[in-house]
Amino acid sequence: QVQLTESGPGLVHPSETLSLTCTVSGFSLTGYSVYWVRQPSGKGLEWMGRMRYNGDTSYNSALKSRLSISRDTSKNQVFLKMNSLQTDDTGTYYCLGASFAYWGQGTLVTVSS
Amino acid sequence: DVVLTQTPPTLSATIGQSVSISCRSSQSLLHSNGNTYLNWLLQRPGQPPQLLIYLVSRLESGVPNRFSGSGSGTDFTLKISGVEAEDLGVYYCVQSTHAPYTFGAGTKLELK
Repeated sequence: QVQLTESGPGLVHPSETLSLTCTVSGFSLTGYSVYWVRQPSGKGLEWMGRMRYNGDTSYNSALKSRLSISRDTSKNQVFLKMNSLQTDDTGTYYCLGASFAYWGQGTLVTVSS
Repeated sequence: DVVLTQTPPTLSATIGQSVSISCRSSQSLLHSNGNTYLNWLLQRPGQPPQLLIYLVSRLESGVPNRFSGSGSGTDFTLKISGVEAEDLGVYYCVQSTHAPYTFGAGTKLELK
């Protein structure tokens, strides 16, 4: 069955870089796109960006200057890197696949000194 | 970027009541390939969102048929025909026609 699992540090210091990994099983990264979505605590959902099945990427306009999404198809992993983190980047980060059909459980990232 | 405006922000309903949520887009969501990529999600407390409806009106596998979606162009509606307790949570519309994709602000469905 399809499974997506996010992993990464729970705590990041202000101005540092966040690195998250999404490990996918049950589908191929060369067949389906993977998106990253985040949610500040108690707030709504924000689409961050996507890794398309063909390797193309697209980013949220507001995050584009700080965000990078890449992948390793041999490991079935998609990576998110975002630099210059601030406290308002605190929240739950989700990876999802197949156009919103499959979601990971999310990983909580806290930005704090 | 496309802006999705969801109304109402909060909805109070009794069990069995039928309710509707509106999602209006700042531009047409009709893709050049003829599809309209407007989806509806439900997020229950403490859970990741789940897909209910895709391509405006197609029910995701396993989703009860009391949920239905309709609309075209810039105006879309999610209807729940007979709210059940398990339907409580926050509903989001999300468009994937135009990159970057965007979400509505959400509609919280509560028990009256």
